[in-house]
Amino acid sequence: DVKVTQSSRYLVKRTGEKVFLECVQDMDHENMFWYRQDPGLGLRLIYFSYDVKMKEKGDIPEGYSVSREKKERFSLILESASTNQTSMYLCASSFQGSGANVLTFGAGSRLTVL
Amino acid sequence: SQQGEEDPQALSIQEGENATMNCSYKTSINNLQWYRQNSGRGLVHLILIRSNEREKHSGRLRVTLDTSKKSSSLLITASRAADTASYFCATVAGGFKTIFGAGTRLFVKA
Repeated sequence: DVKVTQSSRYLVKRTGEKVFLECVQDMDHENMFWYRQDPGLGLRLIYFSYDVKMKEKGDIPEGYSVSREKKERFSLILESASTNQTSMYLCASSFQGSGANVLTFGAGSRLTVL
Repeated sequence: SQQGEEDPQALSIQEGENATMNCSYKTSINNLQWYRQNSGRGLVHLILIRSNEREKHSGRLRVTLDTSKKSSSLLITASRAADTASYFCATVAGGFKTIFGAGTRLFVKA
């Protein structure tokens, strides 16, 4: 069964800490995405990547950075966590060839910043 | 920026009834997709409809698309308790960016 795996289901961090959220997919997908999900706001795109070492800003990139050194791995980095970054973070991947951009999601990482 | 707006925000029905959720969007699209999310989990893709299609079926799911009104609907027939989840519409306008709405929470009572 194909998978997108997020390294942590639950994290609790302190304000100012550096936070790494890791995502790995085993489908050889070219595209990878990071969304955050907040009640009443749906999913908002933070960053995406369409190739190794390539990244594009989404709608809310402020306070975040990303890294894609290998095709299967896409990391989200919070350089200095703040309480307003408490959220559910969802990683997804998609295949470029179809042109449809159907997303396969991981189970999510719920981050609490104290 | 949110592209899709779902309506209603929440829906409660009895098992066996049909559930209809609506989605409106703002810009031209290549395709529109519906996803399902069980509580606290990731989203699962349900169905995709392209901009040149008007209706699509998959099992108990029926999706319609009206590009002139920039709207779509998802119908789940003969609902089951296991259909209880949040449902999101998502639009792809071009490239690889998928934009989601805020979702409809469906509760199916047994």
